[in-house]
Amino acid sequence: EVHLVATGGGLIQPGGSLRLSCAASGFTVSRNYMNWVRQAPGKGLEWVSVIYSDGRSYYADSVKGRFTVSRDNSKNTVDLQMNSLRGEDTAVYYCATNNPQTSRWYDPLDYWGQGTQVTVSS
Amino acid sequence: QTVVTQEPSFSVSPGGTVTLTCGLSSGSVSTHFYPTWYQQTPGQAPHTLIYSTNIRSSGVPDRFSGSILGNKAALTITGAQADDECDYYCVLYMGSGIWVFGGGTKLTVL
Repeated sequence: EVHLVATGGGLIQPGGSLRLSCAASGFTVSRNYMNWVRQAPGKGLEWVSVIYSDGRSYYADSVKGRFTVSRDNSKNTVDLQMNSLRGEDTAVYYCATNNPQTSRWYDPLDYWGQGTQVTVSS
Repeated sequence: QTVVTQEPSFSVSPGGTVTLTCGLSSGSVSTHFYPTWYQQTPGQAPHTLIYSTNIRSSGVPDRFSGSILGNKAALTITGAQADDECDYYCVLYMGSGIWVFGGGTKLTVL
């Protein structure tokens, strides 16, 4: 069974850094498209980043140059390093992925973690 | 960055039909944007309804359907039920690995 658990959230001051981690079970992260999606309080969903099975990574304009996604195949985890954090980065951060049985780049995000809260405030 | 537009809110009567749309601030939506629709109830992670314009996700009732209507992607719900009342998000592929969500539509069934 596919399971995702996101951890690492917390309260951080503006300008600070935080590292989120997404632990996966039931599939191999290196064979899937691993995404991060966030949702600010009372707001809509915002796609943040993806790391492809071939290692390529992509970012939303709002986080490009500040966030970095990486993968640890030995731990079957995906991390999101967030630097130069701003108030507008405050959100619940979800890791999400496609169906491991098909794993096409345009497949929907059928599996989501429970989310981890990131609050950027002084 | 291009903005993906959705109606902020919509209302439908029980048993009625409603079409939610997903457009672009500039240009037209086509199948090349791989429109995907998610349903989200408060406090829960999103749930896939439709992907690649019109492919229904596993287990999704056939009263949910996706299409391209004019220059927008569309999600049509027929025979609306009380538990369809929630938020609906579309997301479009913008190329170069980037996806952009719309602002979401809050659907009321009354």
